[in-house]
Amino acid sequence: QQQVKQSPQSLIVQKGGISIINCAYENTAFDYFPWYQQFPGKGPALLIAIRPDVSEKKEGRFTISFNKSAKQFSLHIMDSQPGDSATYFCAARARGSTLGRLYFGRGTQLTVWP
Amino acid sequence: KAGVTQTPRYLIKTRGQQVTLSCSPISGHRSVSWYQQTPGQGLQFLFEYFSETQRNKGNFPGRFSGRQFSNSRSEMNVSTLELGDSALYLCASSPRTSSDTQYFGPGTRLTVL
Repeated sequence: QQQVKQSPQSLIVQKGGISIINCAYENTAFDYFPWYQQFPGKGPALLIAIRPDVSEKKEGRFTISFNKSAKQFSLHIMDSQPGDSATYFCAARARGSTLGRLYFGRGTQLTVWP
Repeated sequence: KAGVTQTPRYLIKTRGQQVTLSCSPISGHRSVSWYQQTPGQGLQFLFEYFSETQRNKGNFPGRFSGRQFSNSRSEMNVSTLELGDSALYLCASSPRTSSDTQYFGPGTRLTVL
């Protein structure tokens, strides 16, 4: 079954607005939560990542909010731009696992219209 | 530094054939992972190699195999292709240091007819 559940499947946001993508998990062994951005014809690229010892991490217009007790985390894109239109994936990795073993959400296709 | 390189970028095969995909990691990266990406299942982990050894394996049938060479380049092989193997196959490399970052290549688009 899907170990990381991601919603919504698609999102349309007006330029300048806030895009919010949510993910949830059940496995309490997960201790690393990256977000990837993928443009058509390209491989995913790491956007930002968080560990459960912090509740929020911000890098530029991108912020991850993490709720350990609820086993949920979300990506906020502030001042969304048309260039942010892409597919976003949340992922998780278990404590003690190998570096490359990520569990991905199903992805959110974000469209930012001018 | 050049990014992760995958060859070929596109491939068309027929059912029953076998295929080999290649991945050259970023120079200095010794860890290589493979993922299958499909619209229905999303990104699913295939396997991970480090120093020519398979370190982890996902839940795929034995028709899917891989290997890593001494220069860290990796290949994956799929034998007896099925229609459902049509997917984008992604390779990612990591320096395997304290950095958690995995760098993905552009993928190989495999179509099975």
